[in-house]
Amino acid sequence: DQQVKQNSPSLSVQEGRISILNCDYTNSMFDYFLWYKKYPAEGPTFLISISSIKDKNEDGRFTVFLNKSAKHLSLHIVPSQPGDSAVYFCAASESKIIFGKGTRLHILP
Amino acid sequence: ETGVTQSPTHLIKTRGQQVTLRCSSQSGHNTVSWYQQALGQGPQFIFQYYREEENGRGNFPPRFSGLQFPNYSSELNVNALELDDSALYLCASSSPLRQGAGEQYFGPGTRLTVT
Repeated sequence: DQQVKQNSPSLSVQEGRISILNCDYTNSMFDYFLWYKKYPAEGPTFLISISSIKDKNEDGRFTVFLNKSAKHLSLHIVPSQPGDSAVYFCAASESKIIFGKGTRLHILP
Repeated sequence: ETGVTQSPTHLIKTRGQQVTLRCSSQSGHNTVSWYQQALGQGPQFIFQYYREEENGRGNFPPRFSGLQFPNYSSELNVNALELDDSALYLCASSSPLRQGAGEQYFGPGTRLTVT
């Protein structure tokens, strides 16, 4: 059973527009939620996190929103840039970190 | 500041053999976690080491074992390799201050192919 789900395997967004990546989870005991970005032939890179007691965290072009009642979080990237093309993993932390399967984001010129 | 490094980069083994993968953590990080990433999947937690002791384990059989050394580098050992063990193995280190928040720094991984 998947505790962290990313239902969109891929997403294409025009450069300069907003990219929205979604993630659902099932375990209400998770205390942190994170987004990691992965380029080919590299390990995942930490992008942004949010505590379960908050509903929004912003870092430059990246904002993560958490809706605990819906057990849903999303990552907004504004404006999207070519270098944002990568695989994005949603992850949740309790005693260990559980990752989703990832969403491949393509930024179109 | 040196990042997380892993060796070897690629490895081909035969079913039934044993393999050892190595990881050097980022400077100042005393916690190391290992993950298995199969094709098309997200990283799956194998186990974590903190100050040379295992500090949590995922759903992996005992033939997956590890070590952490006094300098916080780590090894992942897999015995009796199976075809399904073919995957990218990722090592991640974290600092004491950020470990609870799940913030980890990953190495580039070791691609293991079992034939």
